[in-house]
Amino acid sequence: AQKITQTQPGMFVQEKEAVTLDCTYDTSDPSYGLFWYKQPSSGEMIFLIYQGSYDQQNATEGRYSLNFQKARKSANLVISASQLGDSAMYFCAMREGMVFGAGTILRVKS
Amino acid sequence: GAVVSQHPSWVICKSGTSVKIECRSLDFQATTMFWYRQFPKQSLMLMATSNEGSKATYEQGVEKDKFLINHASLTLSTLTVTSAHPEDSSFYICSAPRNPRTDTQYFGPGTRLTVL
Repeated sequence: AQKITQTQPGMFVQEKEAVTLDCTYDTSDPSYGLFWYKQPSSGEMIFLIYQGSYDQQNATEGRYSLNFQKARKSANLVISASQLGDSAMYFCAMREGMVFGAGTILRVKS
Repeated sequence: GAVVSQHPSWVICKSGTSVKIECRSLDFQATTMFWYRQFPKQSLMLMATSNEGSKATYEQGVEKDKFLINHASLTLSTLTVTSAHPEDSSFYICSAPRNPRTDTQYFGPGTRLTVL
């Protein structure tokens, strides 16, 4: 069975600074995909970034990058130059019907 | 712009009535769609996988007769909450995979159901 663990219930970051949101996973499948989604207070789920298990390089999308350490089974999200609009709930998820972590609430302070 | 829509965005109903929620993929076809349930400040819980032209696959613990799923076309899946009760009040979200390589799920905006 697949499992996603996010150990940080909440995080604060100062505007313009970088922040890392932790995610560890467990799966017996040799091929898998990992996702990060953002959920603002409006409730919509916004896709941020994807990392495939066989991808050679860490994924990057604008200010978002994924620190993928396969041996450690971790896929941490790094947000650079935080903005006030980044305040939201962030979920790490795994493919196949999408198993979600518990989420991390991020608050960006001005 | 949005690639998956849901209707209605919110609904209030009386206990014992049934509520239908629609999920549409707007500019792509989806043979599979997923339905989730989310309680306040909690994560998304997968309820079922909706399969076009065949029966839905339900996750363990989800009542099939309670949550009826129909995937009538390649762009539409519906979730009907039958004989709703206050404990069914929740945020229901659907998703559909758009990128065939990564199976990235694109989510609808969600439907907030309140059962009185």
